[in-house]
Amino acid sequence: GIQVEQSPPDLILQEGANSTLRCNFSDSVNNLQWFHQNPWGQLINLFYIPSGTKQNGRLSATTVATERYSLLYISSSQTTDSGVYFCAPEGTSYGKLTFGQGTILTVHP
Amino acid sequence: GAGVSQSPRYKVTKRGQDVALRCDPISGHVSLYWYRQALGQGPEFLTYFNYEAQQDKSGLPNDRFSAERPEGSISTLTIQRTEQRDSAMYRCASKSSGQTQYFGPGTRLLVL
Repeated sequence: GIQVEQSPPDLILQEGANSTLRCNFSDSVNNLQWFHQNPWGQLINLFYIPSGTKQNGRLSATTVATERYSLLYISSSQTTDSGVYFCAPEGTSYGKLTFGQGTILTVHP
Repeated sequence: GAGVSQSPRYKVTKRGQDVALRCDPISGHVSLYWYRQALGQGPEFLTYFNYEAQQDKSGLPNDRFSAERPEGSISTLTIQRTEQRDSAMYRCASKSSGQTQYFGPGTRLLVL
């Protein structure tokens, strides 16, 4: 199966700082999703991004499928951005997701 | 409904008991998935349904775990003779063809 590696494992920021989270995957994929798991345990969809770049407010994501990586950019971070960020490539035709270990983000006021 | 719902949200049971976890997907979503998430880890795939057909159950850890989706909508994940190592968050997700997979709030299972 697909191997997924996320970096960094932990990230501590001051409010207002920018950050880049990286996701490397071992095989070609049909798709990729980024999620935010908030402190209450909810998994929130951020991006559905098989390739290219998408932006949603202060967040943007880029997937370079040919080089097997994806990046999540967070600009002007806020305390509410704290939580765990997961990337999950989809390696099958029917949508099975393989999750990385996640990046734990803590944003201090 | 507006989103994927799961019940119960929390379940505490004694070792050896059977538990049934329910998932109600987004209306019209043909694909349904079950994942399990241990503390500090990312979710891991358990099984997949296309309508009522279980098309991949390769992630089910052993034969104490089973799942069904008899009418192509609500699904039930059953764990028989629970063990302490079964304690985890069990998540359900659904999607339409080629679209984003949406997750429910999960059922946190604690086996004493």
